[in-house]
Amino acid sequence: DIQLTQSPSFLSASVEDRVTLTCRASQGINNYLAWYQQKPGKAPKLLIYAASTLQSGVPSRFSGSGSGTEFTLTISTLQPEDFATYYCQQVNSYPLTFGGGTKVEIK
Amino acid sequence: EVQLVQSGAEVKKPGESLKMSCKGSGYTFTSHWIGWVRQMPGKGLEWMGNIFPGDSDTRYSPSFQGQVTISVDKSISTAYLQWSSLKASDTAIYYCARHALYTGRRYKLDFWGQGTLVTVSS
Repeated sequence: DIQLTQSPSFLSASVEDRVTLTCRASQGINNYLAWYQQKPGKAPKLLIYAASTLQSGVPSRFSGSGSGTEFTLTISTLQPEDFATYYCQQVNSYPLTFGGGTKVEIK
Repeated sequence: EVQLVQSGAEVKKPGESLKMSCKGSGYTFTSHWIGWVRQMPGKGLEWMGNIFPGDSDTRYSPSFQGQVTISVDKSISTAYLQWSSLKASDTAIYYCARHALYTGRRYKLDFWGQGTLVTVSS
């Protein structure tokens, strides 16, 4: 199975900060990576797929980059509604796997 | 509007069976894979497996192979996740999610159900 390691596990930030989350894959996955946002008590929400393609309806302050084994999710200007947990997922090969998540908290 | 509506919360005893459902609407159910994701209390997301309603082709994560069964009834646009003998460690929220292909056989999980909480306790 392909392992995904997200860092940091927790991130404390302020509104309007620029934040960058990282996801590293145990082997190359081309650009077959997605990012999801999950708020407490809610289902995950797709933000980005194919490493850098913004899902319809997702604000442009979210962006993704990377290929191979290293990927990043950047929130350019953190908004109050962005405090949540973020997960990466590889869809390069079965079984599909998720990273352990990064919780973005209010400083 | 695409919607996935899951069945309600369950409280079960160890050893009991369970079959939960996920009904799709607002899209051609037989044209998209649909799968299941587990979230244990306070933990992250775990992909369990998926199924293609058009022909019932099914894939499982090795972690869940033999532990659960994924099935579908395309006549009523509904996917299922079932257990024959629950354990306390099956206590979790289970989400269904549409796996939309965007290239080749690569997916994005673009629509999710609301989740079903399963509590297994004696």
